[in-house]
Amino acid sequence: AQKVTQAQTEISVVEKEDVTLDCVYETRDTTYYLFWYKQPPSGELVFLIRRNSFDEQNEISGRYSWNFQKSTSSFNFTITASQVVDSAVYFCALSEANAGGGATNKLIFGTGTLLAVQP
Amino acid sequence: DAGITQSPRHKVTETGTPVTLRCHQTENHRYMYWYRQDPGHGLRLIHYSYGVKDTDKGEVSDGYSVSRSKTEDFLLTLESATSSQTSVYFCAISENRGGTDTQYFGPGTRLTVL
Repeated sequence: AQKVTQAQTEISVVEKEDVTLDCVYETRDTTYYLFWYKQPPSGELVFLIRRNSFDEQNEISGRYSWNFQKSTSSFNFTITASQVVDSAVYFCALSEANAGGGATNKLIFGTGTLLAVQP
Repeated sequence: DAGITQSPRHKVTETGTPVTLRCHQTENHRYMYWYRQDPGHGLRLIHYSYGVKDTDKGEVSDGYSVSRSKTEDFLLTLESATSSQTSVYFCAISENRGGTDTQYFGPGTRLTVL
């Protein structure tokens, strides 16, 4: 069965610190997709990144970076030089591939990590 | 912005009453989804639709029904609301960007069942 574990329930850092949010997943499929979403205090869900199982290259987008390691079934998210605006709940999610190779309809979410960045 | 709106945004209702939540999209997406978000559970899929009048159950479908009579609207109905259905409900659409599908979410509806 598919499962996503975000063991860190809450993390508190001071502005400008680097912080890593952990995501560990379980799936029996060889083709799958991993996602990160951000939920700021306003409540909306914002898509951050999608990664497929065949692409283990790390990705960097500004202060955000993602480390995908199939050997440890992890897809961790690092924020460099955190800012107060980064305060949010962050969700990791997993989707298996459909027959056509794309992501299926069923996103499995982790329970989320609440990141609080103190000024 | 995936052009998704949800109504109402907030609702308080009594146990046993019927409730319908509406999701409206403006970009002709084929796939639409309803999730609920609860502390300690993340988001869980209730039902989804893959076209007009085509729907299927998700992980937590008991107590919920859905309908999709036109592409732009996906309705979630609680026939007889219970306190366990107090939650935040999110609608999502699936959009193909960069060769694969990604789900984008509406603003959410906070439902309280007293």
